[in-house]
Amino acid sequence: AQSVTQLGSHVSVSEGALVLLRCNYSSSVPPYLFWYVQYPNQGLQLLLKYTSAATLVKGINGFEAEFKKSETSFHLTKPSAHMSDAAEYFCAVIGGGSEKLVFGKGMKLTVNP
Amino acid sequence: DTAVSQTPKYLVTQMGNDKSIKCEQNLGHDTMYWYKQDSKKFLKIMFSYNNKELIINETVPNRFSPKSPDKAHLNLHINSLELGDSAVYFCASSQKSTSSEQYFGPGTRLTVT
Repeated sequence: AQSVTQLGSHVSVSEGALVLLRCNYSSSVPPYLFWYVQYPNQGLQLLLKYTSAATLVKGINGFEAEFKKSETSFHLTKPSAHMSDAAEYFCAVIGGGSEKLVFGKGMKLTVNP
Repeated sequence: DTAVSQTPKYLVTQMGNDKSIKCEQNLGHDTMYWYKQDSKKFLKIMFSYNNKELIINETVPNRFSPKSPDKAHLNLHINSLELGDSAVYFCASSQKSTSSEQYFGPGTRLTVT
């Protein structure tokens, strides 16, 4: 069964600092991977997705993620955090014969002024 | 011009009552989903419909019954509500393709007292 692991539950960075949110996946076949963002009291919005075309994926709001098969990772980064980036971030996986999108437990990002 | 809409946004009710949540998408997608997000922000799929046909039915209590009158609508009816049903319920839709991203509605916060 597919799964993703987001270690920790909370990351705090200063405005202008690098954002790094880690995601490791478990899949017997190459998966499709997604990062979603959830702002307070809102639904989930897609940041970016990996579908085997390119290992470095650029998304919205300056975020990008790199698929590393050797490390089974799909970490999300942003060079310079903005206050508006404060939200909950979810990594998700689908594929390998399963039609279920499986989410990690999420990571709350706090951006300090 | 909301892509995926849900009603109501908030639902407060007493134990034992029956309630429904409605979802509509205007994206022309074939597949619709219901997710439950618990108090710890953990997201789990409940049901998925493709062109009005049930394709994913997770192990949820049979008090939960989805209904899809057409491919643009997916409603969720809950009988005999329990305290543990309190959560945020999200509707989502996507094209019928494993690599397609899912578009989420704003959520319905259900509180059972």
